Amino acid sequence: DAKTTQPNSMESNEEEPVHLPCNHSTISGTDYIHWYRQLPSQGPEYVIHGLTSNVNNRMASLAIAEDRKSSTLILHRATLRDAAVYYCILRDHNAGNMLTFGGGTRLMVKP
Amino acid sequence: DTGVSQNPRHKITKRGQNVTFRCDPISEHNRLYWYRQTLGQGPEFLTYFQNEAQLEKSRLLSDRFSAERPKGSFSTLEIQRTEQGDSAMYLCASSPQQVYGYTFGSGTRLTVV
Repeated sequence: DAKTTQPNSMESNEEEPVHLPCNHSTISGTDYIHWYRQLPSQGPEYVIHGLTSNVNNRMASLAIAEDRKSSTLILHRATLRDAAVYYCILRDHNAGNMLTFGGGTRLMVKP
Repeated sequence: DTGVSQNPRHKITKRGQNVTFRCDPISEHNRLYWYRQTLGQGPEFLTYFQNEAQLEKSRLLSDRFSAERPKGSFSTLEIQRTEQGDSAMYLCASSPQQVYGYTFGSGTRLTVV
């Protein structure tokens, strides 16, 4: 899987939107962009994934740049329960079955 | 649907002992994965099953490690002759098909003393 680059940490205020960036300049045409998050003392949790178009679900929105070299996970109203490590992962659905996790972004939410 | 269940949640063992962990995936998921996570790092892939067949193994899975998934249901991960470097969180995940997101369990935390 191609490599992603994320900031080590970010801070947000409760009830404000959060934009978590991810750079993936070496993305290939068959790579999907997946986001997972990991709350303290828990396993990772699937958040969202997309290929080219922006995606929305009940947890978050995924905005994908037109050239696909970057993406942004958007939490519309951060809550204290959103404090977690967020991982951006590229996954070629046609090759291999593993997820390759990087270091992720530790999101801290202030009340 | 009770999610992915892992047992035990915590295991403390002496160096050199054997340990076995169990993972019960979501019942309709035919794909099962094992990952290992050390403190401050992202999870690392260990192995993957499709039904009962073990289709991928990481180089991290030394010959002291063995995983099985009899009858394509639950899976076990055994570590023989444990070493202090094996101390980590062992995570299991399952998915119905490749294109979907994984569902992870809460993991088994292994401490080798």
